[in-house]
Amino acid sequence: EDKVVQSPLSLVVHEGDTVTLNCSYEVTNFRSLLWYKQEKKAPTFLFMLTSSGIEKKSGRLSSILDKKELFSILNITATQTGDSAVYLCAVSSGSARQLTFGSGTQLTVLP
Amino acid sequence: DAGVTQSPTHLIKTRGQQVTLRCSPKSGHDTVSWYQQALGQGPQFIFQYYEEEERQRGNFPDRFSGHQFPNYSSELNVNALLLGDSALYLCASSQGQLRLMNTGELFFGEGSRLTVL
Repeated sequence: EDKVVQSPLSLVVHEGDTVTLNCSYEVTNFRSLLWYKQEKKAPTFLFMLTSSGIEKKSGRLSSILDKKELFSILNITATQTGDSAVYLCAVSSGSARQLTFGSGTQLTVLP
Repeated sequence: DAGVTQSPTHLIKTRGQQVTLRCSPKSGHDTVSWYQQALGQGPQFIFQYYEEEERQRGNFPDRFSGHQFPNYSSELNVNALLLGDSALYLCASSQGQLRLMNTGELFFGEGSRLTVL
């Protein structure tokens, strides 16, 4: 059974801090790892990673995948209150018809 | 361009009742997946519909069933509701089930919050 574990479960920081969110996985026939941001209800897509060592960046957010050690990190620099959300990590495997999600990291950014 | 729309947004049922949730995919999308998200947990895959057929199913009992219509919209039905079925039910759409791997962009709706009393 595919498994995705995220840490920490929750994190409280102040504006301007840099945070690192972790995601480890155990899946058969790995295809890709995805990061989503969930503010209220609908998760919104951030990144998809398929190759080790290639950093994906979007503004203050960046992510990288290590397929040997089976983990990914999501970095957010110069955090803002608008970054407060649950960050979900998910993996696609096998037929790629489904995603297996972790429990998420609740990030709270204080002004 | 309308994104993924779901209805109803909130509903309250009692144990043993049946519920139907509805989803219209993003324009141009033909594949619909349903996920259940319990409080404090990540979404769990229920099933996926493509070309009006269930293509993949997660670890959910037969009480959970679905349907996809020719216009690609979809319904999720849950029979004999249990307290543990209380959750946010998310619908996600994509264009072609295999393309998820290429683009990663699975578009989610706002969800239907089901409370079972």
